[in-house]
Formats: sequence, C-alpha cells, structure tokens
Amino acid sequence: LAKTTQPISMDSYEGQEVNITCSHNNIATNDYITWYQQFPSQGPRFIIQGYKTKVTNEVASLFIPADRKSSTLSLPRVSLSDTAVYYCLVGEGSNTGKLIFGQGTTLQVKP
Amino acid sequence: GAVVSQHPSRVICKSGTSVKIECRSLDFQATTMFWYRQFPKKSLMLMATSNEGSKATYEQGVEKDKFLINHASLTLSTLTVTSAHPEDSSFYICSARETTRSSYNEQFFGPGTRLTVL
Repeated sequence: LAKTTQPISMDSYEGQEVNITCSHNNIATNDYITWYQQFPSQGPRFIIQGYKTKVTNEVASLFIPADRKSSTLSLPRVSLSDTAVYYCLVGEGSNTGKLIFGQGTTLQVKP
Repeated sequence: GAVVSQHPSRVICKSGTSVKIECRSLDFQATTMFWYRQFPKKSLMLMATSNEGSKATYEQGVEKDKFLINHASLTLSTLTVTSAHPEDSSFYICSARETTRSSYNEQFFGPGTRLTVL
C-alpha cells in the first residue's frame, strides 16, 4: 500500500490561500489521489480526487506533478469554517477501493 | 446524492453487552462498505471491508469474532461489537463505495457512531 506523508499541522488566516502538500513516493500506476476533510465527531467528507496534472472543483484545486510522487491540495481564500483535519489518501491500486488513512493535517484558520 | 447514514449516532452500553451499528447508503447501491474506528485526535483505522452477500475481509489485528459484520443488502451493512469492553469505546465510521462511479475509490462516509462502554 502506498504510504502518504503530510505535515501534522498548519496555521493560516482568513482569506489566505492554503496549500497542503502530501508525499506518496510509492504510488502505484493505477492509484488515484484523494483528499478528504474531517470535522470533529463527523465522518470524512470528500474534497477532490485526481490522477495527474491539475484538477479543480468548486472548493479546491489539486496539483499533481508528472512523477505523481506528491500532490498539493490548494484551498483558496480559507475561512474559519475550513478549520479541520485534511487527509491525503492513495488508493490501494486494486479494485477493492480500500483507503488507508495517514495522520492527516490539522489546519487551523485564525481570524 | 451519495448519502450514507449511521444509526445510532451515539450509544452507551454496559460492559459485556453487544451493540449493533447500522450503515445505510440512502440513494445508491453499495456492493462494498468499509468500517473504521477512530480514537480521539487520531486518524481513522480501517477495520474491515464488507462485501454484499459474502464474508467481510478483516484487517490484520482486528478480531472477526469480536466485530461481526453483515452486509445483507446493497444498501445496508451492520457492525456488531460483541461483549463490549471499555477499550472498545471509540468513534465508529462506515463508508460506502458507489461502484458505478468512474472514480473507483471515491467513498462516501457516514456521520459516525460514538460508542461508550461503561
């Protein structure tokens, strides 16, 4: 299973852009990269998923370099409500869909 | 769309009793569901993969006789914590995978169940 490494915590201020980088050196050829957000005492919520280059949706962008050994989640103009834990996950590579959660990054947005 | 519910949201039980937690996919069919547990300020730990109509696949170190999983239909999986002990107190979260989606490993998570064993 591909292991992911993220910063344990990050601080930001309202209105700033936040970039959280995740390394996944052992990513398999058919693995996707998925990011989830989790608030305390809630289940994780899907943010974005990508395979290569750049993916953008209404809440975030995901940048993946050509070697796919890392990825960066970009949150534009964060607000206090974006304070949460962000998990970067890499699929098992088979069709089981298993996701193994790493430690995640606790993002604290300050006013 | 793609909503997953869990019931109950909170449960308190006495040591030695069994507790059943339900996970339902409300608006899609899920041939595969997953069960996780999460301790305070820790990450989610995958316990088992639940496949509709077949036996669950447990992760290493998870006791299958302790955590009984049943996936009897395409929209329902249940986790039963048998003979619960205080150390089983945790936040249990399920997820469901909608296999018709192109993003094959996108999972939808339930809101979680807080289990407290006295």
